[in-house]
Amino acid sequence: DGGITQSPKYLFRKEGQNVTLSCEQNLNHDAMYWYRQDPGQGLRLIYYSQIVNDFQKGDIAEGYSVSREKKESFPLTVTSAQKNPTAFYLCASSILAGPTDTQYFGPGTRLTVL
Amino acid sequence: GQNIDQPTEMTATEGAIVQINCTYQTSGFNGLFWYQQHAGEAPTFLSYNVLDGLEEKGRFSSFLSRSKGYSYLLLKELQMKDSASYLCAVRDHNTDKLIFGTGTRLQVFP
Repeated sequence: DGGITQSPKYLFRKEGQNVTLSCEQNLNHDAMYWYRQDPGQGLRLIYYSQIVNDFQKGDIAEGYSVSREKKESFPLTVTSAQKNPTAFYLCASSILAGPTDTQYFGPGTRLTVL
Repeated sequence: GQNIDQPTEMTATEGAIVQINCTYQTSGFNGLFWYQQHAGEAPTFLSYNVLDGLEEKGRFSSFLSRSKGYSYLLLKELQMKDSASYLCAVRDHNTDKLIFGTGTRLQVFP
């Protein structure tokens, strides 16, 4: 079964702790993305990567970090520097240079910082 | 600047037709996407428009007018399972990023 997986679905952490969210895809997609979704707001881009070992900041990268050591994996670390980390985090991937470059989303991780 | 506007909420009746509008302003346009998102779940891709006109896919159709910065998603023969949020997203030509609207929450009543 091809797809994008994110784990866990729900995550609870204490304030001040770093936490890493997993994102894996077996679609052989080149590009991967991390978005954050908050109530009443559109999806906002945190980081994205178009190729292994390279990534770019999105619109709200402060307090987050990523790595892209393998094509299939793009983990996101929410650091203690992120002021409002509680949110729904969505990972997406796409083929680059395709006719539409449609982004397909994983099931999401809901992070709650207590 | 970049801005995408869509209504916050809409209601409709099972079996009816509903049109969800999206207007946008971007510095460079390279395609418009519609996604469906059920509460607590991931967005799923519905449609893509890059040229003016109507794209039809079963009960769902999407229209684009680039000169007016306007798109709509048309849902026919509404079913209860169509109750969801519908996200409009525009790809910026200069950055290749997707810019998302806040989404339109559609409630379908029996």
